[in-house]
Amino acid sequence: DGGITQSPKYLFRKEGQNVTLSCEQNLNHDAMYWYRQDPGQGLRLIYYSQIVNDFQKGDIAEGYSVSREKKESFPLTVTSAQKNPTAFYLCASSITSGGLTGELFFGEGSRLTVL
Amino acid sequence: AQRVTQPEKLLSVFKGAPVELKCNYSYSGSPELFWYVQYSRQRLQLLLRHISRESIKGFTADLNKGETSFHLKKPFAQEEDSAMYYCALQPNAGKSTFGDGTTLTVKP
Repeated sequence: DGGITQSPKYLFRKEGQNVTLSCEQNLNHDAMYWYRQDPGQGLRLIYYSQIVNDFQKGDIAEGYSVSREKKESFPLTVTSAQKNPTAFYLCASSITSGGLTGELFFGEGSRLTVL
Repeated sequence: AQRVTQPEKLLSVFKGAPVELKCNYSYSGSPELFWYVQYSRQRLQLLLRHISRESIKGFTADLNKGETSFHLKKPFAQEEDSAMYYCALQPNAGKSTFGDGTTLTVKP
């Protein structure tokens, strides 16, 4: 069953703690992305990676970190420096060809709540 | 800078009525534009892209470079069209920009 798997679906964290969200894909896509979805604000890009061992900051990278050690995995760490971490996080992947991004395939999301 | 604007957060129509979800973009190059849809309790998924020029579930969208718009249209809305719709600009590998989304409600 091909697709993108995010875990956990729900996560609670105390203030001051780091937390890592998992994202795995078996679509053999080169590019992977992390978005944050807040009510009324659409999707905002946190980080993206076009190839293994390389990633770039998106529009709201502060307080987040990522790694891309394997093609199929792109974990996101929400650090204690993120001032407003309670949100819904979406991971996506896509084929890239000729410099163009194809269709984005999304995971089901992870909802993080900071207590 | 690239930007996508969806001016309507909420849109409500009756079943059988035409529907148009507006999307305007700002980008200096040649845009690659997409519409994504999120039905209740389902993951976000592609609805259509401008480059394919196809109709999906009765929806069409035409890229108007003069007006920098990519409005989504359907002549006769159905109740199952009720969902959140996002317009997205994907100009090159990696840097995708989404609008804030429009929640469409189709009333019986």
